[in-house]
Amino acid sequence: GQQVMQIPQYQHVQEGEDFTTYCNSSTTLSNIQWYKQRPGGHPVFLIQLVKSGEVKKQKRLTFQFGEAKKNSSLHITATQTTDVGTYFCAGPWSTDKLIFGTGTRLQVFP
Amino acid sequence: KAGVTQTPRYLIKTRGQQVTLSCSPISGHRSVSWYQQTPGQGLQFLFEYFSETQRNKGNFPGRFSGRQFSNSRSEMNVSTLELGDSALYLCASGRTDPRGELFFGEGSRLTVL
Repeated sequence: GQQVMQIPQYQHVQEGEDFTTYCNSSTTLSNIQWYKQRPGGHPVFLIQLVKSGEVKKQKRLTFQFGEAKKNSSLHITATQTTDVGTYFCAGPWSTDKLIFGTGTRLQVFP
Repeated sequence: KAGVTQTPRYLIKTRGQQVTLSCSPISGHRSVSWYQQTPGQGLQFLFEYFSETQRNKGNFPGRFSGRQFSNSRSEMNVSTLELGDSALYLCASGRTDPRGELFFGEGSRLTVL
């Protein structure tokens, strides 16, 4: 079946440091989405990438879709305590359902 | 615009019992997906309904079932509960494309004793 690996599983950073999470697929994706789940909360949609090599920015967050459309990354510049949570990538790895990656839990120390 | 509403938010059951969870999607959304979230397994896809029809199904046993009503509200049922069914059950509503953006509810946290 489809494998959706995210690395790292956990990341602890000092406030102000950068953070990157990577999402790797065993198959080519038509699109990839990113979600954020705060502790005790529910996943919230952040962005969707569709094109090969696409890069999108949301303030301090930069999302990238690989050229082969098999991997993606989320980079946060100068983390803040409000960035704490688990970041999931998600993609339609099979025909018509959205499968979520294993997630990267980010902890930011002030 | 009201978000996705899930009820109940918390419930405790014992092994062998059954449970029904409810989800009201965002007005105008016709797709409802269900996910099981556990610390060890992450977010696992259960099934997706669109216009009262199950459109996609994950790899869960037949004890897990669902349905969708004409007003797009959805229910999921788990029969003969097992300890391993303890989890956060998340409902997500979407527009038409099952591969599109999902809007999640707060979830129903089920504890099986």
